[in-house]
Amino acid sequence: GAGVSQTPSNKVTEKGKYVELRCDPISGHTALYWYRQSLGQGPEFLIYFQGTGAADDSGLPNDRFFAVRPEGSVSTLKIQRTERGDSAVYLCASSQPLGGGELFFGEGSRLTVL
Amino acid sequence: DAKTTQPTSMDCAEGRAANLPCNHSTISGNEYVYWYRQIHSQGPQYIIHGLKNNETNEMASLIITEDRKSSTLILPHATLRDTAVYYCIVRGRGSGGYQKVTFGTGTKLQVIP
Repeated sequence: GAGVSQTPSNKVTEKGKYVELRCDPISGHTALYWYRQSLGQGPEFLIYFQGTGAADDSGLPNDRFFAVRPEGSVSTLKIQRTERGDSAVYLCASSQPLGGGELFFGEGSRLTVL
Repeated sequence: DAKTTQPTSMDCAEGRAANLPCNHSTISGNEYVYWYRQIHSQGPQYIIHGLKNNETNEMASLIITEDRKSSTLILPHATLRDTAVYYCIVRGRGSGGYQKVTFGTGTKLQVIP
């Protein structure tokens, strides 16, 4: 597709379980970002990839959160031992290396931890 | 990244211009002003950005003061579909590329019929 694709769109899991969220960026976009958004708040930065490497992972809240982008395209956000406080919408965005640097966002993955 | 200050909420009558202010008094010389908006249950959408000159595109106009300490996003003829949260962001750009985009809480714009 032409836009950023995120799967699943909704995920309900139980406390303590492991979760993977996938992001398929726009073709040719080398930069990829993960954000999470709680109700009534602005998106909170988690991690930013430039190609395969994490250029800035300062937003990851703790070591239960990990993200990979092994081939410089699709990225997976991994959350171990989920907690109820992890419930949020997880947003992915990508941008091209040149131009205005604007981010193109996906529709998000809504995670609910029971 | 420099911090921004925006009003929490604003109303605008349908068909009128919506003027959304943003203060960024600590902006530095290599930082751009970006605006995004987020319609309910969707991902944020890029609107416009600028450095020091006023900018216009098909969605909006961006007016940046001469001292660059504040800016205004103008939607010339607001429609009901413009109801959204609008985020003003300052973002640096160096030789290594762009800095991360840091969102605040934004301005919730309600367009009234």
